Amino acid sequence: DAGVIQSPRHEVTEMGQEVTLRCKPISGHNSLFWYRQTMMRGLELLIYFNNNVPIDDSGMPEDRFSAKMPNASFSTLKIQPSEPRDSAVYFCASSLTKDTEAFFGQGTRLTVV
Amino acid sequence: KQEVTQIPAALSVPEGENLVLNCSFTDSAIYNLQWFRQDPGKGLTSLLLIQSSQREQTSGRLNASLDKSSGRSTLYIAASQPGDSATYLCAVPNQAGTALIFGKGTTLSVSS
Repeated sequence: DAGVIQSPRHEVTEMGQEVTLRCKPISGHNSLFWYRQTMMRGLELLIYFNNNVPIDDSGMPEDRFSAKMPNASFSTLKIQPSEPRDSAVYFCASSLTKDTEAFFGQGTRLTVV
Repeated sequence: KQEVTQIPAALSVPEGENLVLNCSFTDSAIYNLQWFRQDPGKGLTSLLLIQSSQREQTSGRLNASLDKSSGRSTLYIAASQPGDSATYLCAVPNQAGTALIFGKGTTLSVSS
């Protein structure tokens, strides 16, 4: 398996624009997580899906952020409108179940100018 | 609320040294702990997962231990190499099991 695949790897956008980040989890994994990493706050959960259903979205900063998982092999994280403070590295991770080893993608480095 | 602390924040050692990285957590009611490695500009690579029923887990030159009662885990790296230079992160599940709570990491530099 190729592991967790994220796209794009880098995204530079202007403030106010819509940004969509994509993730393909490892086949057969039922749990999918979106995390954000910043220098100040480290790694923090944004949202957790189990069997394509959002279970914990307590980490989603505000209504500008939304995430979907239309099927077991694809998830998106959307920011609309984007702001400079959203600049960070966004990681997608998947695991067989929520109790098992988590595997991370390479991340998307987002810069909002 | 679970908090994870890693000490030291940075560590520099010469090649060949054995070293220990420390991780502590405030809520001992965890069912596992995971150690990751992160290279600059890259994603996280899972190194070891220790279940709460285990005391140790080994992979090659890496050995991780877990003491739930004291809220501590250590990652032991034997015979360090320049290729081990990276940031090492430990993480534990939150109470609901819906997220990993990460420490800020220890950045290791191994010089040749």
